[in-house]
Amino acid sequence: LAKTTQPISMDSYEGQEVNITCSHNNIATNDYITWYQQFPSQGPRFIIQGYKTKVTNEVASLFIPADRKSSTLSLPRVSLSDTAVYYCLVGASTSGTYKYIFGTGTRLKVLA
Amino acid sequence: GAVVSQHPSWVICKSGTSVKIECRSLDFQATTMFWYRQFPKQSLMLMATSNEGSKATYEQGVEKDKFLINHASLTLSTLTVTSAHPEDSSFYICSARIGGGVYEQYFGPGTRLTVT
Repeated sequence: LAKTTQPISMDSYEGQEVNITCSHNNIATNDYITWYQQFPSQGPRFIIQGYKTKVTNEVASLFIPADRKSSTLSLPRVSLSDTAVYYCLVGASTSGTYKYIFGTGTRLKVLA
Repeated sequence: GAVVSQHPSWVICKSGTSVKIECRSLDFQATTMFWYRQFPKQSLMLMATSNEGSKATYEQGVEKDKFLINHASLTLSTLTVTSAHPEDSSFYICSARIGGGVYEQYFGPGTRLTVT
């Protein structure tokens, strides 16, 4: 399974755009890239998923370069409530089961 | 849609007793469910993968006799922590995956276990 590397922590101010980059140099051909958000004492919440190029939904954008060895989660105009840990995950089927191995995640702190 | 629930949300038990945690997919059938453990300020650690009707597959270092997993139906998986000790105190989170070509996992809200 591909290993991911993210910055341990980031600070931002309200209203700014936040970009969190994840490195996954060993990503396999059939791996998807998925981002989750986790608040303290809660389960992770799905944010966005992509395979290549750019994906956008109502809360974020995901940029994936052609070589897919990295990806960037973009959060537009963050607010205090976006303070959370963000996990970048890649995974693939092993023995017929698709599973995620969580990395350290990025602890985002949004300041007023 | 795609809601996963866990019960209980928190539990306190005495050392040496067993505790059962339930994970349910409320509005979809989950071919595969996963159990994670998370210690304070740390990332989630995958404990095991369970497919409905078959034995769970445990990650390296996870004691299968201590953490019993049952996935009896497509909507319910249970984790039983047997002979719990204080070091088993943690946040346990389950997730469920819809079958087919969808790779999203939906996570439950977690269960806080405290062993005294």
